[in-house]
Amino acid sequence: GQNIDQPTEMTATEGAIVQINCTYQTSGFNGLFWYQQHAGEAPTFLSYNVLDGLEEKGRFSSFLSRSKGYSYLLLKELQMKDSASYLCAVTDSNYQLIWGAGTKLIIKP
Amino acid sequence: ETGVTQTPRHLVMGMTNKKSLKCEQHLGHNAMYWYKQSAKKPLELMFVYSLEERVENNSVPSRFSPECPNSSHLFLHLHTLQPEDSALYLCASSRGTSDYNEQFFGPGTRLTVL
Repeated sequence: GQNIDQPTEMTATEGAIVQINCTYQTSGFNGLFWYQQHAGEAPTFLSYNVLDGLEEKGRFSSFLSRSKGYSYLLLKELQMKDSASYLCAVTDSNYQLIWGAGTKLIIKP
Repeated sequence: ETGVTQTPRHLVMGMTNKKSLKCEQHLGHNAMYWYKQSAKKPLELMFVYSLEERVENNSVPSRFSPECPNSSHLFLHLHTLQPEDSALYLCASSRGTSDYNEQFFGPGTRLTVL
């Protein structure tokens, strides 16, 4: 079967750095997405990785290792508005998106 | 204008009611999706339409009936639902269903079945 694993919940302090991990076992691989979802709102696109390595976009970075079936989302200089759920999703060989259950990130002052 | 809109935002219905959820995308995309989101579970793909043709139906009960009259509009018709169908229903669209398929989501309809 196809599976995406990410921690259910994480807590971090405002101004700090947090890393949210995602591991996957899928039928093929055609890219990995990270989305952010605030409570009661739509998921919004954060990043896309298809090749190994680090993609940096402002305070957010995403890393991919295809050989390890592993990705992480790194959030720097955390702000209260970063409190949200972070969803990892992998595109399989049929270009279907396989979703993780999401990681709820709680930011404390 | 917001890329993907959904109405209503909230819906409470009894098990014998019939209701419809509406989704509209203003992005010129060719693919549209219905997802069910339950607490602490992965997004469950229900239906996929590409160029108004249904291409995916993940064993969804027949009490959920999709309709895609054109590439900008998508409906989900509901009838004789069960309490376990209570969830957030999300609509999404993408440029296509192959290659880079970033999906753009609507705000969702929070459905409660009594």
